[in-house]
Amino acid sequence: AQTVTQSQPEMSVQEAETVTLSCTYDTSENNYYLFWYKQPPSRQMILVIRQEAYKQQNATENRFSVNFQKAAKSFSLKISDSQLGDTAMYFCAFMKRPNFGNEKLTFGTGTRLTIIP
Amino acid sequence: KAGVTQTPRYLIKTRGQQVTLSCSPISGHRSVSWYQQTPGQGLQFLFEYFSETQRNKGNFPGRFSGRQFSNSRSEMNVSTLELGDSALYLCASSGGGQGVREQYFGPGTRLTVT
Repeated sequence: AQTVTQSQPEMSVQEAETVTLSCTYDTSENNYYLFWYKQPPSRQMILVIRQEAYKQQNATENRFSVNFQKAAKSFSLKISDSQLGDTAMYFCAFMKRPNFGNEKLTFGTGTRLTIIP
Repeated sequence: KAGVTQTPRYLIKTRGQQVTLSCSPISGHRSVSWYQQTPGQGLQFLFEYFSETQRNKGNFPGRFSGRQFSNSRSEMNVSTLELGDSALYLCASSGGGQGVREQYFGPGTRLTVT
């Protein structure tokens, strides 16, 4: 079974600064996908970024980027030039490489990020 | 494209009753997954449906069931409600085909059991 660990329950940062959220996972799988989801106070879960384990290049999406260390089973999210709208709960999630019957996300416990004006 | 929709958004039920929640996936998506979110247990996978078939099931009692229709819309049912079933129930859809299956979530149904 896979486990996902987010060791930072809460974080806060000043607007425009950079913040890094940590995530580690445990799996015996070699092919898998990792995701970061954001859940603002509205409760709508929004996909932020994804990383395929077979890709060595770290994924980036505008101000969001990841540091994927496969050997260390680490998958951190960096938010640059943070904005007030980034205030949310952030979840790290794992999915085994999809094949029939494997479409299931395993989530970490989340990090509550607050951007301070 | 319209996003994932869930109805109702809020629901209050009494212990022992049953409840049905509905989810309409993004147009063209064939896979629908359900998750339960509680403060104590976090986000937990309930089940996944693809082409009207349950492909995967989480560790929940048989009181939790679901189904998917030919238009990919899905319903989940909880019978004999317990206080501990109070939660946010999230539905997510994906293409269900080859490659990365990013899941897109609906706004959720907040169920309160009294």
